[in-house]
Amino acid sequence: EAGVAQSPRYKIIEKRQSVAFWCNPISGHATLYWYQQILGQGPKLLIQFQNNGVVDDSQLPKDRFSAERLKGVDSTLKIQPAKLEDSAVYLCASSLGTGGFRHTEAFFGQGTRLTVV
Amino acid sequence: AQRVTQPEKLLSVFKGAPVELKCNYSYSGSPELFWYVQYSRQRLQLLLRHISRESIKGFTADLNKGETSFHLKKPFAQEEDSAMYYCALSGSGAGSYQLTFGKGTKLSVIP
Repeated sequence: EAGVAQSPRYKIIEKRQSVAFWCNPISGHATLYWYQQILGQGPKLLIQFQNNGVVDDSQLPKDRFSAERLKGVDSTLKIQPAKLEDSAVYLCASSLGTGGFRHTEAFFGQGTRLTVV
Repeated sequence: AQRVTQPEKLLSVFKGAPVELKCNYSYSGSPELFWYVQYSRQRLQLLLRHISRESIKGFTADLNKGETSFHLKKPFAQEEDSAMYYCALSGSGAGSYQLTFGKGTKLSVIP
C-alpha cells in the first residue's frame, strides 16, 4: 500500500516568516497525527485528528501554529510567524483509528526538516 | 499526565551479545505500550506492541506493571539491529488516546 506522503522534504526560512507543510495519509485512515521532533528528542504530538475533527491539540502552540484536515483526508500544518526554536522535523502519521479511538498502529511519513535561521 | 523515560541515549553492544533497551513509564490508568524503530534513512515504524505478545526480528518486550517498565530485549544482537528505538505509550488524555514517545535510544551493534 502507498505510505504517508509529506512535502516538502526540506525547508529553510528566516525567523518571522511563515511556512506550511502538507500531508497525505494512507487511504482509509481516519486518524491523522502531526508530531514535532527536535534534534535529540522523541516525537512530540502537536495535534491529532479523527476524520476532519480535532480530538487533541493540547500541545499545539496555538498562537503561531495551526492545522486543518480537509474533508477528512489531506492535512496542512502552518507556522506563522516562525521562531528559531521551531527548527525540527515535522512528522505526519496516520492510523485506522477505529474502535473508540484506541490507538492502532501509526504509519509515519518521511517528515519535513524545517530550519529557521 | 503520561510520560515515557528511556534512560540511555546510546547503547553499544558487540554482535552476538544480548541487548536490553530500557523503558519506564508513568501513567495512572491501564496503558498500551509500543516499541517503534527508525533505521538509517527510513521512516519511523512499529516494531512491536505489548498486547500482541509476539517476537519481531528476535525482539521481545514484557510489560511489567509493578515496575512500570517495558524493556526491549534480544538475546543475540545483529548488525542490522543498529537503529534508533523509541518506546511509546498510549493512554487517554483530553478525550483521546495520545501516543507519547520517549526520547529514544540509539543502538549501535559493533561487528
